[in-house]
Amino acid sequence: NAGVTQTPKFRVLKTGQSMTLLCAQDMNHEYMYWYRQDPGMGLRLIHYSVGEGTTAKGEVPDGYNVSRLKKQNFLLGLESAAPSQTSVYFCASSTSHPNTEAFFGQGTRLTVV
Amino acid sequence: AQKVTQAQTEISVVEKEDVTLDCVYETRDTTYYLFWYKQPPSGELVFLIRRNSFDEQNEISGRYSWNFQKSTSSFNFTITASQVVDSAVYFCALTDTGRRALTFGSGTRLQVQP
Repeated sequence: NAGVTQTPKFRVLKTGQSMTLLCAQDMNHEYMYWYRQDPGMGLRLIHYSVGEGTTAKGEVPDGYNVSRLKKQNFLLGLESAAPSQTSVYFCASSTSHPNTEAFFGQGTRLTVV
Repeated sequence: AQKVTQAQTEISVVEKEDVTLDCVYETRDTTYYLFWYKQPPSGELVFLIRRNSFDEQNEISGRYSWNFQKSTSSFNFTITASQVVDSAVYFCALTDTGRRALTFGSGTRLQVQP
């Protein structure tokens, strides 16, 4: 009964370091998403995937890469972290039907110093 | 392009007051879906309700009610007799059949004082 699980929950990076955020869902959902949440700006879509092996850019994709090698996993990579990437990152998944809600992970708080 | 506007950045009320959170949306599509999510201080996002563009019926769930008006492109959320546990950030969101990813408003922070 896990739903959507994000790893890690917290991370501090130095500018220029790289890291990967892992999202795993156990609901057999086709669609998966990565959002970032910044104060006063709501959640903004970084990248999303409509199925295994597919990815697409969202509103704010610069500085991030993603991969969906397995249906249940969606990875978000930062190749060279910048302070502007300090944010809370949320992963979500949903079925392919637009009239269904997205299920969100608990979030990852990333600080880049 | 889709857009969701939540003009109220922060609202503060005293317990037992009624409060309405506004949501105005923009989309070119005739088929679309609207959602409300709650983000309590613990940080997770909790789904509250969804509504499709063909269903303009208002909905009530306990102390929560939603008013969907296509004529004004609004999907407002009212909490009746607010409680301290209602303190959270509330997000309105929109999607359509083409895009499939949610477009969020900037959120409204509700503080309910005892």
